[in-house]
Amino acid sequence: DIQMTQFPSTLSASIGDRVSITCRASQSISGWLAWYQQKSGKAPTLLIYKASTLESGVPSRFSGSGSGTEFTLSISSLQADDVATYYCQQYDSYSKITFGQGTRLEIK
Amino acid sequence: QVQLVQSGAEVKKPGASVKISCKASGYTFISYFVHWVRQAPGQGLEWVGLIKPSAGTTTYSQSFQGRVTMTADTSTSTLYLEVTSLTSEDTALYFCAREGMGPLDHWGQGTLVTVS
Repeated sequence: DIQMTQFPSTLSASIGDRVSITCRASQSISGWLAWYQQKSGKAPTLLIYKASTLESGVPSRFSGSGSGTEFTLSISSLQADDVATYYCQQYDSYSKITFGQGTRLEIK
Repeated sequence: QVQLVQSGAEVKKPGASVKISCKASGYTFISYFVHWVRQAPGQGLEWVGLIKPSAGTTTYSQSFQGRVTMTADTSTSTLYLEVTSLTSEDTALYFCAREGMGPLDHWGQGTLVTVS
């Protein structure tokens, strides 16, 4: 199975900061990676797919990059509404998806 | 608009079974795979498996093989997840999610299963 390692596990930043979260796959997944945002007590929502394609309705301050085994989710200017846990997910191994462990983003 | 509406919270005894439903609307039911994902309290997301509603074919995570059954009722556009031989470790929020050509683009609100 493809393992996804996500870091940091917790991130604390100030409003307006640029923040980045990294996700590393145990083998190449080309660009078959998605990022989700999960706010407390809610279902996850899709932010980015195919590593860098922004889902409709997602603010442009979110961006994704990477290919192969290393991927990054960036927020260009952190807003209070971005407090959440973020997960990466690979879908290269079709019909057997895996998630990263999650990154909890807090406001400093 | 696409909606996945799940059944309400369940409380079960250890050793019992639970069957959760997920009613889909706003899209062509048989055209999209549906995945089930669970989240234990304070933990991350764990993939349970997926079903292809048009054919009823399923793929389960090895972690749940033999203990879960996913089914789809095309007449009511409803998906079901049954988990048997429950233990306290199965206490979790269970989500259904539609697969949009790879990523999970729409999620149900979650069903809390408590085993106690």
